[in-house]
Amino acid sequence: DTAVSQTPKYLVTQMGNDKSIKCEQNLGHDTMYWYKQDSKKFLKIMFSYNNKELIINETVPNRFSPKSPDKAHLNLHINSLELGDSAVYFCASSQDRLASGLTGELFFGEGSRLTVL
Amino acid sequence: DAKTTQPNSMESNEEEPVHLPCNHSTISGTDYIHWYRQLPSQGPEYVIHGLTSNVNNRMASLAIAEDRKSSTLILHRATLRDAAVYYCILSPPRGSTLGRLYFGRGTQLTVWP
Repeated sequence: DTAVSQTPKYLVTQMGNDKSIKCEQNLGHDTMYWYKQDSKKFLKIMFSYNNKELIINETVPNRFSPKSPDKAHLNLHINSLELGDSAVYFCASSQDRLASGLTGELFFGEGSRLTVL
Repeated sequence: DAKTTQPNSMESNEEEPVHLPCNHSTISGTDYIHWYRQLPSQGPEYVIHGLTSNVNNRMASLAIAEDRKSSTLILHRATLRDAAVYYCILSPPRGSTLGRLYFGRGTQLTVWP
């Protein structure tokens, strides 16, 4: 069983379209995150939800809207896609926002590669 | 965000030990030192973390300098599967938002057969 799973793994779309990436974790964790890895391989946090409540919102355009229907799911919806949105988006989860028990560990999904043409 | 400095790349031969350095001269007294790695086409994977004392787990060892301004991740016997980008990250302690981890460029480790 995959701990943190994202769909789709690859997404190719045109500028101006709206798309969503879904994430699910089966670890029973309280907190989920979205990270973005750009073409230069920098990995930056975008959002974090704890028990369906938004707790981290870095400086991200409001075209990006995360939604957490329950604590096991965190979806990312992107409106009016731009070329600069092309990146790999990683979902992650942790036990809670204070620390992951004794390990302090984030569990990442395999990523969703978004290409905007 | 606290800053770390790592070499861009390092190389090792299979089955040899690898010492990956990280400088964090501006570390605060309560920052934890985390190491993650990212294999090609995969998400980052937790390796180890520590505060002051050296730490060992099944994947690696973490040696932390006495002044905490630097640390070294030690892979005792490198395998081809250890070829990855290794990230050294500082994070605030319990009671803060753990997930706000700032990943730098990391060190690309190449392992030769």
